[in-house]
Amino acid sequence: AQSVTQLGSHVSVSEGALVLLRCNYSSSVPPYLFWYVQYPNQGLQLLLKYTSAATLVKGINGFEAEFKKSETSFHLTKPSAHMSDAAEYFCAVSPGGSGTYKYIFGTGTRLKVLA
Amino acid sequence: SAVISQKPSRDICQRGTSLTIQCQVDSQVTMMFWYRQQPGQSLTLIATANQGSEATYESGFVIDKFPISRPNLTFSTLTVSNMSPEDSSIYLCSAEGLSRGNTEAFFGQGTRLTVV
Repeated sequence: AQSVTQLGSHVSVSEGALVLLRCNYSSSVPPYLFWYVQYPNQGLQLLLKYTSAATLVKGINGFEAEFKKSETSFHLTKPSAHMSDAAEYFCAVSPGGSGTYKYIFGTGTRLKVLA
Repeated sequence: SAVISQKPSRDICQRGTSLTIQCQVDSQVTMMFWYRQQPGQSLTLIATANQGSEATYESGFVIDKFPISRPNLTFSTLTVSNMSPEDSSIYLCSAEGLSRGNTEAFFGQGTRLTVV
C-alpha cells in the first residue's frame, strides 16, 4: 500500500530564507508524486509533479523538488521565502495507471513566513 | 487547467440533517472524486464518481452515509447524511486532468462543513 509522510506539521522561516518541506513516500510501484498548495479558503493548486521524467522538478512560484528513489523522498524547496508563500502544502502520491487520479495525501505542512 | 466550482463554500448544520454539496467542472470529464479533510488530518478519498455508473467507495465509506450523484460529465453531488459533529470537515471534489497525457487532478475550493 502506498503512503506519504510529511515531517513537520508547522514550519516557520524568515523572509528570504530557504524553504524546505519534507515528504517521504512508500510505494510498491514507481509512483507519481505531487506537491499542492492550499491558500486560506481556496482549493488545492498544483505546484509541481514528478512522473518518472527528470528527477529534479521545477514548479511554479520558484519551488522545486527532487525525487530521490534511494531515500524515497520528494522534498520541496525554495531558495528564498516570500511572505506570499505562507500557506499549507500537501505532498501526494498516486500509483499511475488506472489509479492515477486517486491520490494519497500527506497530512500537510503549514508554512509560516516571518518578516 | 480546469475550473472546478463547489457550492456551498461553507455551512453550519444541525446534527441529524443532511447537506448536499455540488461540484461543477467547466469541461467534460470522465472521472470525478470526492475527498474529506478532517481537522488536522490529511485528505482522504471518499469515492470515485464516473458518469453512467454507481460511485465506487473507498474502505470506510458507504453509500448510505455519502450518496453521490453523477448525472452528466460536468457535475456531481455529494450528500453527507444524518450528520454528526464527527462529519465536520472540509469536503473537496476533484476531476481528472483534462488533456491527453495530463497526470494531475484538479480540485475545487472545498466546502467547509461544521456540524453542531
